Amino acid sequence: GDSVTQMEGPVTLSEEAFLTINCTYTATGYPSLFWYVQYPGEGLQLLLKATKADDKGSNKGFEATYRKETTSFHLEKGSVQVSDSAVYFCALINQAGTALIFGKGTTLSVSS
Amino acid sequence: GAGVSQSPRYKVAKRGQDVALRCDPISGHVSLFWYQQALGQGPEFLTYFQNEAQLDKSGLPSDRFFAERPEGSVSTLKIQRTQQEDSAVYLCASSSGTAFNYGYTFGSGTRLTVV
Repeated sequence: GDSVTQMEGPVTLSEEAFLTINCTYTATGYPSLFWYVQYPGEGLQLLLKATKADDKGSNKGFEATYRKETTSFHLEKGSVQVSDSAVYFCALINQAGTALIFGKGTTLSVSS
Repeated sequence: GAGVSQSPRYKVAKRGQDVALRCDPISGHVSLFWYQQALGQGPEFLTYFQNEAQLDKSGLPSDRFFAERPEGSVSTLKIQRTQQEDSAVYLCASSSGTAFNYGYTFGSGTRLTVV
C-alpha cells in the first residue's frame, strides 16, 4: 500500500542554519504530496504542496520539489528561525483520493 | 466558525466506558475527515464524509468505532467500550471541496486518555 517515510528526529539546529528533512514515498501513480507543520499546542497546518512531478511547493521560506525519479519530496529552508521549531509531517493522498497518508513526523528544534 | 472546532479538548475515560467526540467543521465545508494520532506518530486516517454520506470508513480500527454526520455539518466520533490502545489525539479536518487537492483545515484535536 501507499506509505511515507521521513527522517527520524529530533533535528536540532542553530538559528540561521540550513534545514533539510528527508521524505520518500511509495505509491501507485503520482499522488499529490504535502508538508504539514504542527506547532506546539496547535493543530496541523498545511505548509506547502506539489501536485505533479517536478513541481516545487514553497511557503514561508520552505521549499520542496516533487522528484518522481527518486520518489522524494525533501523539505528545505535556507535559514531557520527559532519560530520554526515544530513537528513536520510529510504526506500524500491515497489512491482513492479520500485520505492523507502521513509519515511519522520529524521534530525540529531551533535554538538562538 | 472561523476554524474547525473540536470538543472536548481533553477526555479521560475509564477502560470500558463509551465516549463521544464532537467536531464542528468550517461552515459550508462539504468534506469532513477523522484521523487518529498516537503519541509520536503521524495521523492515521479513520473515516471520510461527503456531506452526510460516509464514503470511506476503511480506517476505523474496529467495530467499537462509529462516526456520524447526520445533517452534513457537525460530526461525532463514538468509541464504545474504550481500551487503553484507544488513547490518542483524535483530529478532525474539513474541506470546502470534494477533490483531494482542496486544502484541509484541521482542528486542534481531542486528546483521549483511557485509564
